[in-house]
Amino acid sequence: EVQLVESGGGLVQPGGSLRLSCAASGFTFSSNDMHWVRQATGKGPEWVSGIGTAGDTYYIASVKGRFTISRENGRNSLYLQMNSLRAGDTAVYYCARASVGFDYWGQGTLVTVSS
Amino acid sequence: SYELTQPLSVSVALGQTARITCGGNNIGSKSVHWYQQKPGQAPVLVIYSDSNRPSGIPERFSGSNSGNSATLTISGAQAGDEADYYCQVWDSSWVFGGGTTLTVL
Repeated sequence: EVQLVESGGGLVQPGGSLRLSCAASGFTFSSNDMHWVRQATGKGPEWVSGIGTAGDTYYIASVKGRFTISRENGRNSLYLQMNSLRAGDTAVYYCARASVGFDYWGQGTLVTVSS
Repeated sequence: SYELTQPLSVSVALGQTARITCGGNNIGSKSVHWYQQKPGQAPVLVIYSDSNRPSGIPERFSGSNSGNSATLTISGAQAGDEADYYCQVWDSSWVFGGGTTLTVL
């Protein structure tokens, strides 16, 4: 059974940093592109970042230079390093596996940026 | 940037057919995915690549895509189909529609 479990969310002050993790199991992690998608309360999902099987990375414009996505295939783990956080980054952050579409999602981890 | 337009809400009588549209410039040339999201839960893929159902998704869910509009069709809507539905495409980045709330009356 495919499982994705996020962790690392929490309350952080504006300008602060957080590192999100996503532990994957039940599939060959190295064979799939992986993504982070966020969703603010009452809003639709917003794609944030993705990483290919070759380590190629992609970001939405609003997080470029502040967020860094990475993966550790030996640990079946996906990460999102978030720096210079802003109030607008407040959301539930999901990791998602890409196959055709995003076919598996984690339960999400809440990031709150507030003073 | 590419925009996807969905109606805010769609209502359907129990057992009838619901159609949720997703508009975008020449969306027919793109591959559209659809997600269902219930309150407090992560999105679930219900249609991929315009018209394909993942394993475990009921046959009453179907999709089509042509021209400037893609459509998610739910035939014989059930109470359990009440949810928010989002379309998604790739256009230099992954783009989601604003979402449609389906109400089953």
